[in-house]
Amino acid sequence: NAGVTQTPKFQVLKTGQSMTLQCAQDMNHNSMYWYRQDPGMGLRLIYYSASEGTTDKGEVPNGYNVSRLNKREFSLRLESAAPSQTSVYFCASSEIGYSNTEAFFGQGTRLTVV
Amino acid sequence: QQPVQSPQAVILREGEDAVINCSSSKALYSVHWYRQKHGEAPVFLMILLKGGEQKGHDKISASFNEKKQQSSLYLTASQLSYSGTYFCGTVTNTGNQFYFGTGTSLTVIP
Repeated sequence: NAGVTQTPKFQVLKTGQSMTLQCAQDMNHNSMYWYRQDPGMGLRLIYYSASEGTTDKGEVPNGYNVSRLNKREFSLRLESAAPSQTSVYFCASSEIGYSNTEAFFGQGTRLTVV
Repeated sequence: QQPVQSPQAVILREGEDAVINCSSSKALYSVHWYRQKHGEAPVFLMILLKGGEQKGHDKISASFNEKKQQSSLYLTASQLSYSGTYFCGTVTNTGNQFYFGTGTSLTVIP
């Protein structure tokens, strides 16, 4: 069982470069999420997709865009990377949204912007 | 809307007990608990859906006091494997979004 798969695992970008973080789940979940994790800040929601075809902003969406490509895949794009976006990024999925179901997390992408 | 956790960090000897608290400024629909080991992804522990609900998971249990808008995670007879950072997550009555707390670092030493 693969669960939630994120690529890449590590990435170093120069300021101003763009990149896309990929996420795929094989559990037939409806909802998918992107979080960033910074020391002392916990996990903060960037964007989420309650179901295929919908996306919504979370707590910290500035500087990011997302695409729910299909039910399995949810990508996160940094158009012009900034040092403040250095973080660990987690993708997660859940069956029908967070209210009463657990979320499954990918292994994370460690991004450094220099 | 981020819930507040306390304490921020705790160090225990094997066999000791700990309590981690999670408080919200808003009325809650549900509280979730996750554990994250260093360098790994968060892993689900349990969800509490009703006020006053208590759940258990091995020697880890939790309660949800809807009136006080808070939840507590109880770790009894701690084991080395309990080490990690514990996060609560909350869904409020008025919103669909889910917010994680800032986390509590738990270290169990022999």
